[in-house]
Amino acid sequence: GENVEQHPSTLSVQEGDSAVIKCTYSDSASNYFPWYKQELGKRPQLIIDIRSNVGEKKDQRIAVTLNKTAKHFSLHITETQPEDSAVYFCAASSYNTDKLIFGTGTRLQVFP
Amino acid sequence: DTGVSQNPRHKITKRGQNVTFRCDPISEHNRLYWYRQTLGQGPEFLTYFQNEAQLEKSRLLSDRFSAERPKGSFSTLEIQRTEQGDSAMYLCASSLSYDTQYFGPGTRLTVL
Repeated sequence: GENVEQHPSTLSVQEGDSAVIKCTYSDSASNYFPWYKQELGKRPQLIIDIRSNVGEKKDQRIAVTLNKTAKHFSLHITETQPEDSAVYFCAASSYNTDKLIFGTGTRLQVFP
Repeated sequence: DTGVSQNPRHKITKRGQNVTFRCDPISEHNRLYWYRQTLGQGPEFLTYFQNEAQLEKSRLLSDRFSAERPKGSFSTLEIQRTEQGDSAMYLCASSLSYDTQYFGPGTRLTVL
């Protein structure tokens, strides 16, 4: 069935360092890959997304890369700041259904 | 506030009672989704609507769960004969077709 695996489950970095979170999906029909940030007690908020016709997308300090052949996509955060500390979820959906299949989340801690 | 809203924000109930949650989507969004999130996990898809039509329902969803979107605007999610395992955060999201899903703040259900 549909599945999205996410690694690592926790990630601790020093302020200013880069952070990378990786996800693998199983459904070859997946064509949309959003990333959500969820702070404690808050709603998930979209930070960046990518569609399968694009290999990479960047928005200031955040970038996402997609490897359709390997069914991998990754989130890259550069110059991390303490306010980047949160849980990050990757997700995937396919062209024939709009539902999002989420990964299990990565808790990112950025230490000053 | 023009975002997705959910009521109530918290609900405590006794096992065996019925509960109903409400979601008000962003006004022009034709799609509305329900997800469930337990501690330390990513949101899990429950069901979604396009206008008033329920397009998909998770196979994991018990018959005790029912959702409606009678006029294609707000939606309700009802859980009958609640069980302790139903304790979770119930998230609603809305979108235009095949576009970004925006989440509400969630309803936290505790079943005693």
